Formats: sequence, C-alpha cells, structure tokens
Amino acid sequence: DSGVTQTPKHLITATGQRVTLRCSPRSGDLSVYWYQQSLDQGLQFLIQYYNGEERAKGNILERFSAQQFPDLHSELNLSSLELGDSALYFCASSAGPLHGGSPLHFGNGTRLTVT
Amino acid sequence: EDKVVQSPLSLVVHEGDTVTLNCSYEVTNFRSLLWYKQEKKAPTFLFMLTSSGIEKKSGRLSSILDKKELFSILNITATQTGDSAVYLCAGGGGSEKLVFGKGTKLTVNP
Repeated sequence: DSGVTQTPKHLITATGQRVTLRCSPRSGDLSVYWYQQSLDQGLQFLIQYYNGEERAKGNILERFSAQQFPDLHSELNLSSLELGDSALYFCASSAGPLHGGSPLHFGNGTRLTVT
Repeated sequence: EDKVVQSPLSLVVHEGDTVTLNCSYEVTNFRSLLWYKQEKKAPTFLFMLTSSGIEKKSGRLSSILDKKELFSILNITATQTGDSAVYLCAGGGGSEKLVFGKGTKLTVNP
C-alpha cells in the first residue's frame, strides 16, 4: 500500500457529463500529480500541484481542471466527457520536488468508463 | 519533446531465467531515471537513478544508468512468477513532469 488514496475506484458515466476524482496524498507529502493511463498511450502526465499551487502542466485538456486544497488533498474535474476520456486516472504524491530526489508514489487509480 | 522508449514491449521467460529490460531516454535537463513495477493497479516504485547514484540493487533486481549513452537497464535474476508485471521506465528533467515509456510486459512461466 503506497499510502495514496483515490476515490472512487470505478466510475461509469455518460458522454457530456462531469465527474470529480479525489486523491489524498501520503501523509507528509506536499506534491500531488495526476496521470492518465490508456491502453495505447501509456501514462500521460496531466498536472502537478505543490502545497496548493500549480507547478507543472502536461497534456491536460481544457475540459479538465484540478486543484489542491489546504489539507493537501486534490481533485481532478473532468467535464463534457467524451468516449475517448475513458481511461485509468492515477494520482501520485511525493515528499518534495522530483528533481530533489523524491520519487512519486501512486494510488490505485480511478477507472473511468464513458458510455 | 521529451521521450522515453522501452524495449522489448513484451517478454516471456521461464522461472529461473535472467532478464534485461531496456530504457532509452531523451529528456531536457535530465536529472533522474525511475523504474516502476505495475501489476494490476498502482505502479510500485523500484529504483531512482540520478547523477549521484547510477547503480542500484535490491535483492534480485538491479539497475544501471548510462548518462553518456542515455539509457538504463533493469536486470532481474532468478525470475519468479511473481515478477510477472509491466515494468515502466520514466525520465525526469528540469520540470516536475515525469515522462513514462510504454512499458515492458514481462511474463514468467512456471
């Protein structure tokens, strides 16, 4: 168990809908990362927060947004969902900056199915 | 654009065999190379290699980093069925973005 908690585990919704994925980082970790994993694309970086502030942005669609709250948990909001958004969404956390030698620890993911 | 390429994409071996998984990278302002093992769910951290630590070992697993040739290898000796998983390699640069390869699927048959 990595200590990173993601809810829900599974989510099935229809096209056009909006969903919120939640992540609680490991105790003491200040950085939260969101990744999307699909069969053909592998793990794709979406966005990173450090102590409540956005630090890095990847290939995150404008329909997606995220935030990190004062208690350090994070939420990823996905709106106007399309079939192609079906994927496994991972949250990861780290104690400090990646370049400072802190590896990422991943949660078990939320499997999103858009029908 | 940063890129990490892993080979082979899949590998089938018998218990007791030794395997070598390859990872080449092109990462701007490279700082670290990480290996993860992914079974059914979360990728599990294995090793992190940086300029200050280019060789790591843990039990039957070991990894080296060649910063000159821009690649890393992950060795697993005396493989067991429990080693069956997808092994992911990722490169970290000046930003906080970790770029992952598509993984090597290892199947260890009894």
